[in-house]
Amino acid sequence: GAVVSQHPSWVICKSGTSVKIECRSLDFQATTMFWYRQFPKQSLMLMATSNEGSKATYEQGVEKDKFLINHASLTLSTLTVTSAHPEDSSFYICSAVEGVWEQYFGPGTRLTVT
Amino acid sequence: QKEVEQNSGPLSVPEGAIASLNCTYSDRGSQSFFWYRQYSGKSPELIMSIYSNGDKEDGRFTAQLNKASQYVSLLIRDSQPSDSATYLCAVKSGGGADGLTFGKGTHLIIQP
Repeated sequence: GAVVSQHPSWVICKSGTSVKIECRSLDFQATTMFWYRQFPKQSLMLMATSNEGSKATYEQGVEKDKFLINHASLTLSTLTVTSAHPEDSSFYICSAVEGVWEQYFGPGTRLTVT
Repeated sequence: QKEVEQNSGPLSVPEGAIASLNCTYSDRGSQSFFWYRQYSGKSPELIMSIYSNGDKEDGRFTAQLNKASQYVSLLIRDSQPSDSATYLCAVKSGGGADGLTFGKGTHLIIQP
């Protein structure tokens, strides 16, 4: 149980374009999902908390107009990187909460902006 | 600001020995603690969670928590080459609505 999927697993896009990443909980319902970002040789940094049916909560320093999050259902959250630039190239990982405490991570999406 | 500190390593341990990984955290209000394993290029995989002081054992893994010292550790017994990975310590202050604060991870190498 507690399987989380992400799509796509990797994406290359040109600077200035937008990219959408999907995160799905496959075998459970998740009222809360999280989006993290990991740069090479760095740890995971929480970007935002996504709650089903409400606006996402962004961490300090994360531009909410650049990283659009939609949590339309109990099994799907999407992250759209708008007007992507090379500095947005990173490993984006979502997680979903099963129960109260434990987070399970998706396989991640590697974004490269050229 | 919440901080989680780990020795980045690499920590080199012979196969079959015990690997000991340590983590300290700054937020005294932290309530739940996790150890994740991350292979290069992959996302983290949950190994252990611990919520109260003391030891928690699961197979070859034992997590230890000391809230007074703000210290969490992970012991891996009978280390195997497949245990070679980066181990991330993560801390959460509240319940499901709180995201995790991660340490930078300890790179563990199990030598055959």
